[in-house]
Amino acid sequence: GDSVIQMQGQVTLSENDFLFINCTYSTTGYPTLFWYVQYSGEGPQLLLQVTTANNKGSSRGFEATYDKGTTSFHLQKTSVQEIDSAVYYCAMRENSNNRIFFGDGTQLVVKP
Amino acid sequence: DPKIIQKPKYLVAVTGSEKILICEQYLGHNAMYWYRQSAKKPLEFMFSYSYQKLMDNQTASSRFQPQSSKKNHLDLQITALKPDDSATYFCASSQDLGGGRAEQFFGPGTRLTVL
Repeated sequence: GDSVIQMQGQVTLSENDFLFINCTYSTTGYPTLFWYVQYSGEGPQLLLQVTTANNKGSSRGFEATYDKGTTSFHLQKTSVQEIDSAVYYCAMRENSNNRIFFGDGTQLVVKP
Repeated sequence: DPKIIQKPKYLVAVTGSEKILICEQYLGHNAMYWYRQSAKKPLEFMFSYSYQKLMDNQTASSRFQPQSSKKNHLDLQITALKPDDSATYFCASSQDLGGGRAEQFFGPGTRLTVL
C-alpha cells in the first residue's frame, strides 16, 4: 500500500548545523512529493513540493530531490536556525486524487 | 485575517455524546478536506469534498459525517464519541482537486478530547 516513512522521530542540532531528514515513500504510481512544516499550535504549512522525478524543490534554504530510483525525498538545509524548530512531515499525493499521505513527522529542535 | 477558521479550538466531550466541528474557508476554494492527527498515528486523511460533493472517504466508521451547508463550509459531525476519537482534527482546502491548483492549505485544527 501507499506509505511514507520517516525514521527520525527527533533531530536536535545547534544553529548553523547541517540538517538532513530521511524520507522514503512507497506507491505504485507517480506521486507528487511534499515537505510540510508544522509549528506548535498550528496546522501544517507547505514547505516545498516536487511533481516530477529527478527534480529538486527548494524553499527558505531547504531542499529536497525527488529520487524515483531510491524512492526517496530527503530534506536538507545547509545551516539551520533556531526559528526552524518545528515538526517536519514528508508527504505524497497520488495524482489520481488529492488524498495526501503523511509520514510520522520529525521534530527538529535547534539550539541557539 | 485567518483564511481557514476552525471552531472551537479545544473541545472536551464525554463518551457516547455527539459533537460538530466547524470549518469555514475564505480562500474561494472549491475543494475541502478533513484530516485527523492523533498521538498514535500520523496525519491521516479522512474525507475530501469538491463543490459540496463527497469525493473520497477513507474513514471506516459511519460515526464521522461531513456536512457541507455552503460551498465554503465543511463541518464534521461525530456521533457516539469514544476515547479513541481524541485527536486534533484539521480542515484543509484547495482551489481544485487536481491539476496545478491542488495545493492544500490547512486550518489551525480543533483539539478534541473524549473522556
